[in-house]
Amino acid sequence: GQQLNQSPQSMFIQEGEDVSMNCTSSSIFNTWLWYKQDPGEGPVLLIALYKAGELTSNGRLTAQFGITRKDSFLNISASIPSDVGIYFCAGQSYSGSARQLTFGSGTQLTVLP
Amino acid sequence: GAVVSQHPSWVICKSGTSVKIECRSLDFQATTMFWYRQFPKQSLMLMATSNEGSKATYEQGVEKDKFLINHASLTLSTLTVTSAHPEDSSFYICSAPTAGVSRVGANVLTFGAGSRLTVL
Repeated sequence: GQQLNQSPQSMFIQEGEDVSMNCTSSSIFNTWLWYKQDPGEGPVLLIALYKAGELTSNGRLTAQFGITRKDSFLNISASIPSDVGIYFCAGQSYSGSARQLTFGSGTQLTVLP
Repeated sequence: GAVVSQHPSWVICKSGTSVKIECRSLDFQATTMFWYRQFPKQSLMLMATSNEGSKATYEQGVEKDKFLINHASLTLSTLTVTSAHPEDSSFYICSAPTAGVSRVGANVLTFGAGSRLTVL
């Protein structure tokens, strides 16, 4: 089956620093999604990427869909305490009607004041 | 935007009892919903796909007789954990596809807030 490698597994950064995390896949995806999950909550969509090479921003967040369609990265600029949480990448392929997501293992972000 | 409501947000039950978790799409219809399970500090694992009007599709290794899924209407799917045991304690999250912004057929998933199940 499809596998996603997400790194780093965890990050400890100072408030104000920039953050970068990425995901690589063993197979091609048609869509890349980035979610954030706060403790005890469901994931919330941050950015959706639909085309290879696409670079999309959402406030301080920027994500790119790799040209090979096998990777994606997420950058967070000028981190703040509320950025704390787990960030998941997710790849989606169109296999018939089962449009399921494959999730990365997550990046636990801690922002130190 | 699209909202998926999940209830209850947490439940504690005795071993051997059954627990029902509801997932509702509040402002859109969902012919398909997905149920995930998440252990602490781990990623989301897809358990099953709930299909309105037909049987659910279960992932390999998921017991369909233990995790009963019923997609009763276009806005409601339920997951029932039957004869729950402590090892069933977990965070269960449902999701529903909502239309992508710029590409037909590219749906993104909107997730519920999750249900924390603790089996004593």
